[in-house]
Amino acid sequence: GAGVSQSPSNKVTEKGKDVELRCDPISGHTALYWYRQSLGQGLEFLIYFQGNSAPDKSGLPSDRFSAERTGGSVSTLTIQRTQQEDSAVYLCASSPSMSSYNEQFFGPGTRLTVL
Amino acid sequence: AQRVTQPEKLLSVFKGAPVELKCNYSYSGSPELFWYVQYSRQRLQLLLRHISRESIKGFTADLNKGETSFHLKKPFAQEEDSAMYYCAPPAYGNNRLAFGKGNQVVVIP
Repeated sequence: GAGVSQSPSNKVTEKGKDVELRCDPISGHTALYWYRQSLGQGLEFLIYFQGNSAPDKSGLPSDRFSAERTGGSVSTLTIQRTQQEDSAVYLCASSPSMSSYNEQFFGPGTRLTVL
Repeated sequence: AQRVTQPEKLLSVFKGAPVELKCNYSYSGSPELFWYVQYSRQRLQLLLRHISRESIKGFTADLNKGETSFHLKKPFAQEEDSAMYYCAPPAYGNNRLAFGKGNQVVVIP
């Protein structure tokens, strides 16, 4: 079956603009994660959704970042008033449940460049 | 909550030489750990998990509770092993912040 998909694959925007990044998880996966991957910083957790529970937003770096997950499936990460330091690859991952034995399945990422 | 530490950022090894990526963890209960890998132009993917006690692409990782380590090892590095490697606990509960900076491995022909 299809894996996790993300769109767009690349996004170039101007400083101060808002951007929306989309993630389509694997069908049936209840857990969804957003990460940010930047050179030298590794993989930085941003936000986590599990079923209908309130999301864990503890990794969001500022209030300019927000995310939604509609109908327990597709998720959108929104960055308002983008800054140059927001430039990074944004990864989405999903997993079947909260079981500790479940691996995360990652999407190809969205490369965001803020000019 | 589990935390992992990967001390080296960049590791260069010659083809055929052994490679070892260090991962140390801190956890109060029974640790559950994974190694993920990202090859150039590919998505991040699971390499192996400690519960499976398996060898994948020649890599093994043994959980050492005494040293609180889960080092990734391969006796003879191949060029195709050049990639970014992340040690991680399972991503639930308080562990979700625990992906580290990763190790960039470069295998020199």
